[in-house]
Amino acid sequence: AQSVTQLDSQVPVFEEAPVELRCNYSSSVSVYLFWYVQYPNQGLQLLLKYLSGSTLVKGINGFEAEFNKSQTSFHLRKPSVHISDTAEYFCAVSVINDYKLSFGAGTTVTVRA
Amino acid sequence: ETGVTQTPRHLVMGMTNKKSLKCEQHLGHNAMYWYKQSAKKPLELMFVYNFKEQTENNSVPSRFSPECPNSSHLFLHLHTLQPEDSALYLCASSQVLQGTYEQYFGPGTRLTVT
Repeated sequence: AQSVTQLDSQVPVFEEAPVELRCNYSSSVSVYLFWYVQYPNQGLQLLLKYLSGSTLVKGINGFEAEFNKSQTSFHLRKPSVHISDTAEYFCAVSVINDYKLSFGAGTTVTVRA
Repeated sequence: ETGVTQTPRHLVMGMTNKKSLKCEQHLGHNAMYWYKQSAKKPLELMFVYNFKEQTENNSVPSRFSPECPNSSHLFLHLHTLQPEDSALYLCASSQVLQGTYEQYFGPGTRLTVT
């Protein structure tokens, strides 16, 4: 079975600074990888996904993530954050040919002025 | 309405009550999911329906009873709940045949059991 570890439970960051959220996964087979964002009192929204091809994936709101197969990682980055990026971020993995997702515990990002 | 909708958004119920949560997806998807989200814990997959058939029940207590009358609607019937069942319940849908696997989520129902 696959599993996901988000290495940071909370990440405080100043506005306009860069941010990186770390995600590692374990699986014995090939996977698809996702990052979701959850704003307060809302459901989860897909930020980006890696299915195949280029290992650098660009998503919405200026976020990008890089798939590293040898390190089994899928870290999320944004070069300059805004106050509106304050939210909880979830990394998720799906084994190819199995449509269920396994989620990490989440990383809370708090952006301060 | 677009996307995935859930009603009610908030629900307070006593341990002896019976209530139902409703989810509707307007995306033409063929799979629907119930998740439980508790504070500081990973999302817990509760039930999966694929083409209206339940394909997964992750050891969920029988006080939670799902129903999927068609591919667009999903219900979660609740009875004799416990305080530890208080959580955000999220519904999601996906299109399993196209190989993209991403799930689309509703806004959730915040459930408080008193």
